[in-house]
Amino acid sequence: EAGVAQSPRYKIIEKRQSVAFWCNPISGHATLYWYQQILGQGPKLLIQFQNNGVVDDSQLPKDRFSAERLKGVDSTLKIQPAKLEDSAVYLCASSLHQGPQFFGPGTRLTVL
Amino acid sequence: QQPVQSPQAVILREGEDAVINCSSSKALYSVHWYRQKHGEAPVFLMILLKGGEQKGHEKISASFNEKKQQSSLYLTASQLSYSGTYFCGTDTNDKLIFGTGTRLQVFP
Repeated sequence: EAGVAQSPRYKIIEKRQSVAFWCNPISGHATLYWYQQILGQGPKLLIQFQNNGVVDDSQLPKDRFSAERLKGVDSTLKIQPAKLEDSAVYLCASSLHQGPQFFGPGTRLTVL
Repeated sequence: QQPVQSPQAVILREGEDAVINCSSSKALYSVHWYRQKHGEAPVFLMILLKGGEQKGHEKISASFNEKKQQSSLYLTASQLSYSGTYFCGTDTNDKLIFGTGTRLQVFP
């Protein structure tokens, strides 16, 4: 069974630029999550989708972050404009409802 | 409210045992445990549902005390492959909040 796919794996941008990350969940998983993990900390939930609807986006900085999950499968997370403090690993995960979460390899973002 | 894990770090020799604790200030529906190796994504270990159950996975087991809002992860006869950072994830109202993490290092 294929796992969660993410791209790109690494991205370096300058502050105030924009960036987008892509995620393809495990086939059949209705729930998709985007997490931000800063070095030395646990993953922090940014947004949770159930099919193509948003379940929770309470910790998403909506002035600069946006996410969508068209057709209830793939998802993209965008940052515009990026700040230095956005440097982190962005993890995508998927699950069957309330079950174990399976994570993709992540995208390491560096904002200079 | 992020769950608090203790200890923050553990150093073991192969074959030794360890216990990692996870404590929440909120009522919990379930607790997840994950292990993350350096530079990799977290990997699911087990999930415990409310009811005070204990689950096991080879030499790794866990307990969940719903009343105390706590969970503990038990690593028995540790192996080198157990090294990594362990995170609990507490499920409150369909949202998983990851803990502060416990870094475990196993040496030969």
